Amino acid sequence: AQSVTQPDIHITVSEGASLELRCNYSYGATPYLFWYVQSPGQGLQLLLKYFSGDTLVQGIKGFEAEFKRSQSSFNLRKPSVHWSDAAEYFCAVVPNTGNQFYFGTGTSLTVIP
Amino acid sequence: DGGITQSPKYLFRKEGQNVTLSCEQNLNHDAMYWYRQDPGQGLRLIYYSQIVNDFQKGDIAEGYSVSREKKESFPLTVTSAQKNPTAFYLCASSIPGLAYGYTFGSGTRLTVV
Repeated sequence: AQSVTQPDIHITVSEGASLELRCNYSYGATPYLFWYVQSPGQGLQLLLKYFSGDTLVQGIKGFEAEFKRSQSSFNLRKPSVHWSDAAEYFCAVVPNTGNQFYFGTGTSLTVIP
Repeated sequence: DGGITQSPKYLFRKEGQNVTLSCEQNLNHDAMYWYRQDPGQGLRLIYYSQIVNDFQKGDIAEGYSVSREKKESFPLTVTSAQKNPTAFYLCASSIPGLAYGYTFGSGTRLTVV
């Protein structure tokens, strides 16, 4: 079955530490890939997206993500986390034959001083 | 500034009552979407519309209805047939093809009282 998997429901990191949030997908061909961030009680904001080309993409707020075709993964990373990064993070895909997004269940990030 | 406006931010519904959530965009986007968000379940698609006067059911359309009489507006009605309507509702819009991702509204939290 087609799916988007975020295996980590909740992650806690210390401020200044590095961060990696995992995302795996199962679609036939490489879909469009996205990461969104959601602050409590707010809508979702686009962090970055991948369509094709360079497999390392840069986004806003110092985030980056790497597409690995062999692993069907699109993991989000940040070298040094700030307290303001505490939020819910969603991976999403658009199948290249589709017309809607499919979202993972999200990873909640807590940042401790 | 262009964006999506959802109103109200908080809404309370009595048992057996229909309520309508508003979604307005001034981005000139053709496509609009309604998602429901529940803790631990990510975002689930209720309805979407790719053009005025046309819309399609998403994965969880039962108990909901929509209209798309204007390009800018895509209201969602939660009917009394929706047995568990308490959730956070997000409206989104996009250009055709989803290449640039969704733009989300800030959401409406609906609670049954």
